[in-house]
This record gives sequence, structure tokens and C-alpha cells, in this order.
Amino acid sequence: DAGVIQSPRHEVTEMGQEVTLRCKPISGHNSLFWYRQTMMRGLELLIYFNNNVPIDDSGMPEDRFSAKMPNASFSTLKIQPSEPRDSAVYFCASRGTGSNTGELFFGEGSRLTVL
Amino acid sequence: GESVGLHLPTLSVQEGDNSIINCAYSNSASDYFIWYKQESGKGPQFIIDIRSNMDKRQGQRVTVLLNKTVKHLSLQIAATQPGDSAVYFCAENGSGGYNKLIFGAGTRLAVHP
Repeated sequence: DAGVIQSPRHEVTEMGQEVTLRCKPISGHNSLFWYRQTMMRGLELLIYFNNNVPIDDSGMPEDRFSAKMPNASFSTLKIQPSEPRDSAVYFCASRGTGSNTGELFFGEGSRLTVL
Repeated sequence: GESVGLHLPTLSVQEGDNSIINCAYSNSASDYFIWYKQESGKGPQFIIDIRSNMDKRQGQRVTVLLNKTVKHLSLQIAATQPGDSAVYFCAENGSGGYNKLIFGAGTRLAVHP
């Protein structure tokens, strides 16, 4: 079975450009999470969705960041405009419907470099 | 792969030895704890979890110990193998539930033949 699929795996862009990261969760999972990982701050939860509805976006750093989940099989994280401090690895994760554990299934991440 | 974790504390062990990775958590309200393993270039992968009504839980070659008195968590790996080389993260649930896990900084485990 395919796991969580993220694209692109790597992106290099210039400051001010728009960045869109994409995620396809595991089929049947109803919770989706976006995390950011940096050396300085570790793994941080940005936002999570239940049944395609954003539940908590308190981790989104500022208005330049936005996330959507138009359907159960697709989510995007957008940064506009991007800044060098946004350079990080962005992970998408999903969790199974009815799960009563914290087991998240992570994708392989999108490594973003903003010059 | 991604270069996160270059300055993480590192535990070096010989293949076949047992490994113990420690974690101090911060929130007294946390009642659920979980360990993840992250290999280079990959996302974190679930290893084992434990609830606060337990002080020990065993999996395959792994054991998690919880000491709520001193807010300490440990992961023991028996007969460590080269494939165990990775960064290990503990996480706690903070205000409850399973949606807002708070991850620790991580420990790098290096297994030498």
C-alpha cells in the first residue's frame, strides 16, 4: 500500500516567490497534519485537519502560510511570499479513522530552500 | 537526505549491545507518550507508545519506561542492530488527545559494527 505521498521532494526558490507543497494522505485516513522540521526548532505542528476541516492552525507562523484540504485525498501548504527563514523540511502526516493512538504516518518530506 | 539534527546529542553503541535513549518531558498534564524513529532522508516512524497509567510497555526488541514522578521517559533497544541507526524522538500529548503531539529535540543513535 502507498504511504503518505508528498511533492515536491526538494524545492529551491528565491525569496518572494510562492511555494506550494502537496500531500496525498493514506486512503481512508481522516486526519491530516502538516509539520515543519528545522535544526533550531525541531518538529513543529503547523496545522491539522479532521475530515477535511481545519481544526487547529495555531502553529502556522504567520499569514504568509496557508493550508487547504479540498478533499479527503489531497492537501496543500502554501507560502506566499517565501522568505529565507522558511527553509526547512515540511512533513505531511495522516492518521487512521477511529485511531485512539498518536501513531501518525509521515511522508518523506519536502525540503524547501529559500535563497 | 535532509540535514536536520546535525547538533543533536549522540549515543554511540556497538552492534549487539543494548541501547537506552532518555527523554525528559515538560508538561505535567501529559498522559500519553510516544517514541518515533527517523532515518536519514525519511519521515518519522512510530515505534511504541505508553499511557500514563502504565510505567512499562514492551514491544519487539523495544521497551519504554515511564517515570511520572520525575517526568522521564526512556526507550530501551535490545541487541542493537545497524538498522537501528537513526534519530529518536519522544513526544508527549500536552493538553491531551492525540492531535497536538509535542516532540522533543531528538537523540541520534549511531550503531558501530
